[in-house]
Order: sequence, then C-alpha cells, then structure tokens
Amino acid sequence: DTAVSQTPKYLVTQMGNDKSIKCEQNLGHDTMYWYKQDSKKFLKIMFSYNNKELIINETVPNRFSPKSPDKAHLNLHINSLELGDSAVYFCASSQTSSGVLFFGPGTRLTVL
Amino acid sequence: EDQVTQSPEALRLQEGESSSLNCSYTVSGLRGLFWYRQDPGKGPEFLFTLYSAGEEKEKERLKATLTKKESFLHITAPKPEDSATYLCAVQASAGDMRFGAGTRLTVKP
Repeated sequence: DTAVSQTPKYLVTQMGNDKSIKCEQNLGHDTMYWYKQDSKKFLKIMFSYNNKELIINETVPNRFSPKSPDKAHLNLHINSLELGDSAVYFCASSQTSSGVLFFGPGTRLTVL
Repeated sequence: EDQVTQSPEALRLQEGESSSLNCSYTVSGLRGLFWYRQDPGKGPEFLFTLYSAGEEKEKERLKATLTKKESFLHITAPKPEDSATYLCAVQASAGDMRFGAGTRLTVKP
C-alpha cells in the first residue's frame, strides 16, 4: 500500500563512512527526487530524475550520487560522510505534469 | 532569485480560535503554489495546489487563497489534530520547486 517508501528510517554512522539510502515508489510517477531537510525544517532539493535522466542537480557536493536502476527506484549514495551531512533526507515522486510531490517517510541521518 | 517566506514561524491557538498562515513569494513565472502539511517524524503531505490569483481551495477546516504576491492558509475553528507544520512551495515556470521554512501550528484543547 505504501506509495513512497525509503530505507532505512534511521542511520547513525561515523565521519568518513560511505552509506546508501534506498527509495521506491509504486505510484507509476515519472519523476523522483531527493530532498534534504535541515534542523530548521528547510526542505531543499538535491536531485531529481525523470525517465532515468538527471534533470536537476542543485549545488550538492559530488560526494552525493543518485542512482536510478529503474523508473520506480532512486537511491542516494553518500561518500566520505561529514558532520554537516546530518539531516533528514526525503525521497519524493511526482507526475511531471501535476507538480504535486508525494514524499516518503524520511531517513534521519546522524553523522558522529 | 525565487523566494518563499512564511509567517509566522510558529502559531499557538486555542481550539476553535480561527487564524491565517501567510506565504509570500517572488518567482519568475508562477506555475503553481502548493500547500503541504508535515507531522513530526513524517514526510510532507499534499493539501492544495493554486494556479492563479483569485483562486481558492477548501478542505474541511482549511481554505487556501492566492494573490499575485502571497497565499493564505485560513484555519477555521481548528482542532488539536490540526497541529502540524504547514509548508508552502512555489513552482516556477522553469519547473523548479522552492519551499518556505514552514509555520509550526499548535492547537491547544
């Protein structure tokens, strides 16, 4: 039943480690996104994928790399984690024509 | 640069006390203005989309309105279950979506 799911829900790791967050949507949407929500609750877009093509990439460090094996999945891989990467990461999907975003439950990343 | 500013940052109401949340925006070519609700520990949930000045949308105790510079989310006779953070987002003609910082609403019984 879950429309947009992501795993894990919580991720605690040490500085310098590499980690991945997985996302899947079963809504048949053509675009998927990764958003970062900082401690002040500001949601900022990191990436979006439309039909397996990266179409938005804001000023995100290249330690972050999105990977989309198919239209229903968009995973986020992070290399060499830093303290400042601690945040909640949300996956979302939409049908491009509507603009309405459907969000996953979020992954709270804590870098120690 | 596109900007979205929400006010107030936090709002505390008594149950039944109606009020409004504000979302001011500057954007190059508005494609749509979106309102979302976010509960603690969850992802934002879509409420409304508004496309042009003068448009209004309603859902239960919530009513969203839009002018050329701002949008209001009116809450009539709120209940404790309306407590959440309300996020406003604007989509520019280029397709970029920009979110405001949100208004954290607390409704006390």
